[in-house]
Amino acid sequence: DTAVSQTPKYLVTQMGNDKSIKCEQNLGHDTMYWYKQDSKKFLKIMFSYNNKELIINETVPNRFSPKSPDKAHLNLHINSLELGDSAVYFCAFGGQNTGELFFGEGSRLTVL
Amino acid sequence: AQSVAQPEDQVNVAEGNPLTVKCTYSVSGNPYLFWYVQYPNRGLQFLLKYITGDNLVKGSYGFEAEFNKSQTSFHLKKPSALVSDSALYFCAVREFGWYGGSQGNLIFGKGTKLSVKP
Repeated sequence: DTAVSQTPKYLVTQMGNDKSIKCEQNLGHDTMYWYKQDSKKFLKIMFSYNNKELIINETVPNRFSPKSPDKAHLNLHINSLELGDSAVYFCAFGGQNTGELFFGEGSRLTVL
Repeated sequence: AQSVAQPEDQVNVAEGNPLTVKCTYSVSGNPYLFWYVQYPNRGLQFLLKYITGDNLVKGSYGFEAEFNKSQTSFHLKKPSALVSDSALYFCAVREFGWYGGSQGNLIFGKGTKLSVKP
């Protein structure tokens, strides 16, 4: 079984549309993250969830909404997509005592 | 705030030669330090970490890293490089003892592309 599964792997859409990315873990970890990787491969943290509470929120537009229906699932909803949103988005899960994060395979979003 | 620097955009080595990928960090307390590898069109894979204990940490695929507190460095090393090691390598830091809030974040360097030629 894949520890972290993320869908879709590729997403091509028009400006102004709304889209969602879904993530699921079977690791039992209690902290979840969304990262954005831009065209230069820079990784920037967007959000994290701990015990279903949003505990950080970097300077990310409010068009981005993370949601976690339960400990195993983490979704990212994006409203009114813009060209600059094109990137690869990664979910990640980690345990409080282990330190390391386990990443999904990424969702490459292309906004036309 | 913590930060990570990877001074080299790219490292080129010949297969069979030793490799080093450099990383320096900045935190206000004690660091958790990590190395990850990213193959093309894939997610990040955990290689190794330093939290406490021996300064030389061994990880996956024959990689190791040496924690040097005085130089605030955590360089990734491998005694004999393989062509299959070619990938993008990320160093990351989290401040020890913090979890949650901005100081608990895992902050990544900009990545170093490792190219191993036959």
